Amino acid sequence: DIQMTQSPSTLSASVGDRVTITCQASQSISSWLAWYQQRPGKAPKLLIYKASSLESGVPSRFSGSGSGTEFTLTISSLQPDDFATYFCQQYDSYSLTFGGGTKVQIK
Amino acid sequence: EVQLVESGGGLVQPGGSLRLSCAASGFTFSTYWMSWVRQAPGKGLEWVASIKEDGSGRFYVDPVKGRFTISRDNAEDSLYLQMNSLRAEDTAVYYCVRQAGWRSYFDYWGQGALVTVSS
Repeated sequence: DIQMTQSPSTLSASVGDRVTITCQASQSISSWLAWYQQRPGKAPKLLIYKASSLESGVPSRFSGSGSGTEFTLTISSLQPDDFATYFCQQYDSYSLTFGGGTKVQIK
Repeated sequence: EVQLVESGGGLVQPGGSLRLSCAASGFTFSTYWMSWVRQAPGKGLEWVASIKEDGSGRFYVDPVKGRFTISRDNAEDSLYLQMNSLRAEDTAVYYCVRQAGWRSYFDYWGQGALVTVSS
């Protein structure tokens, strides 16, 4: 199975900060990567697919980049609604796998 | 509006069985791959199983192979997960999710159903 490693596991930031989360795949997955946001007690929500494509309705402050084994999710200016946990997911293999998550908390 | 509503969760003893259901609406159910994804308390996400649009193809994560069965009824717009020989490590919130295609990302999620395996 393809292993997905996210860093950091926890991130403390303030409203207005630029935030970057990294996801590393154990082997090349081309651009077959998605990012999700999960608020406490809620289901995950799709943000980005195919590494850099923004899902409809998602604010433009969210962006994704990368290919192969290294990927990043960037929030250009952190908003109060963005304090949540973020997960990456690869879909290069039929055995779909997620990263361990990055919790973005208030500094 | 796409809606996925799970039911059937609850408390079950180790070794027991449970069947989860998911009622889908707001899209043409029979044209999408569907999956179950679970999340143990305080932990990350784990894909559990996927089923092809017509039910002819099914895939499972290794820890549930031989114990769980994913199925669907396209006439009823419903997805199911039959869980047998349950273990404590199967305790989790189980999400019904729509896949954007085969080997793809998950574009819509249900609210989740809690399954607790404990004596």
